[in-house]
Amino acid sequence: EVQLVQSGAEVKKPGESLKISCKGSGYSFTSYWIGWVRQMPGKGLEWMGIIYPGDSDTRYSPSFQGQVTISADKSISTAYLQWSSLKASDTAMYYCARRAGATTPDVWWFDPWGQGTLVTVSS
Amino acid sequence: EIVLTQSPGTLSLSPGERATLSCRASQSISSSYLAWYQQKPGQAPRLLIYGASSRATGIPDRFSGSGSGTDFTLTISRLEPEDFAVYYCQQFGSSLYTFGQGTKLEIK
Repeated sequence: EVQLVQSGAEVKKPGESLKISCKGSGYSFTSYWIGWVRQMPGKGLEWMGIIYPGDSDTRYSPSFQGQVTISADKSISTAYLQWSSLKASDTAMYYCARRAGATTPDVWWFDPWGQGTLVTVSS
Repeated sequence: EIVLTQSPGTLSLSPGERATLSCRASQSISSSYLAWYQQKPGQAPRLLIYGASSRATGIPDRFSGSGSGTDFTLTISRLEPEDFAVYYCQQFGSSLYTFGQGTKLEIK
């Protein structure tokens, strides 16, 4: 079974750094892109960026470029989303999701999704 | 950057009724690059439809997708109690994955 398991909820203060994780299993981790999606409280889904663990090729949404860093460690089948200095406005649920197709460009949708990591930033 | 606009924002219907949700793109997109997701409270989104009209594995046939160009539709033929949720469309183009703002389907 293909699964993405995310790290647990975090409570941080403004200005602190944070790295959350998404561990893939049940498939060849290096062959599928992993995306990150933000959902602020009571709001919709926002695509943040995506990484190909095989070579760490990373693409960012213009809205999130420079605000976060996406990385991956293929030796432990884990993708990461990190912040160097959190703001209160980073409070949100963050989901990782696998791009459905490995190398087929037309198979681009996200399936499956991780369970989400709630990040709360408050002084 | 392509913008997806979903309507209505909220749709109030009763179980057994037919639901029609709209997703309009700011410019024409290939139907291959349009997907729909369902999100229930406290849960991660779930893929419903890809390629505008293909149902994902395990999705009941009361869910159907259609459309082309700039106008796409998700139809739920007969609403079941478990269908009341938020629905999002998503498109892929120019290496960007864009979501619509969502339609909340609530029980009337």
